[in-house]
Amino acid sequence: AQTVTQSQPEMSVQEAETVTLSCTYDTSENNYYLFWYKQPPSRQMILVIRQEAYKQQNATENRFSVNFQKAAKSFSLKISDSQLGDTAMYFCAFMNLGIGVDAGKSTFGDGTTLTVKP
Amino acid sequence: EPEVTQTPSHQVTQMGQEVILRCVPISNHLYFYWYRQILGQKVEFLVSFYNNEISEKSEIFDDQFSVERPDGSNFTLKIRSTKLEDSAMYFCASRVGGYTFGSGTRLTVV
Repeated sequence: AQTVTQSQPEMSVQEAETVTLSCTYDTSENNYYLFWYKQPPSRQMILVIRQEAYKQQNATENRFSVNFQKAAKSFSLKISDSQLGDTAMYFCAFMNLGIGVDAGKSTFGDGTTLTVKP
Repeated sequence: EPEVTQTPSHQVTQMGQEVILRCVPISNHLYFYWYRQILGQKVEFLVSFYNNEISEKSEIFDDQFSVERPDGSNFTLKIRSTKLEDSAMYFCASRVGGYTFGSGTRLTVV
């Protein structure tokens, strides 16, 4: 079974600054996706960024980028130029793409509450 | 961009009542999932569904829960006799490659 660990329950950052959220995972699989999701107070689940494990290049989406270290099983999220609207809970998630009982199922971390301060 | 639609957005039900949560997945997706998030806790897998049958379920998904795809478009989660501890956000997801999550249904059992 896969596990996902987010070691920072809470983080804060000043508006316009950069913040990095940590995520580590444990798996014996080789073919998987990693995700960061944003959950604002409305509790919707919004996809922020996705990384395919076979890709060496780190994924980026505007102000959001990841540092994917496959050998270290690390997947951190960097938010640049933080905005007040970035305040939310952020979840790291793992999805196994292989065959077998866990295929296609996502495993989530406990989440990191990010507060952007004006 | 295609969306996964969940209805209702919020449902309040009395303990012991049956509740049906509805989801309309993205039309060309083949795999469907339900997840649950109790307030303040992590998102937990409930069940996956493929080719009109359950492919995997968690220990949370006991006999009180059932899923079906009654008409080829909707994907429903039924809780037969709700308990207080069933109060949570319920997310439907569908996928071809990566997931698309619905906006969730907040279930409150009183």
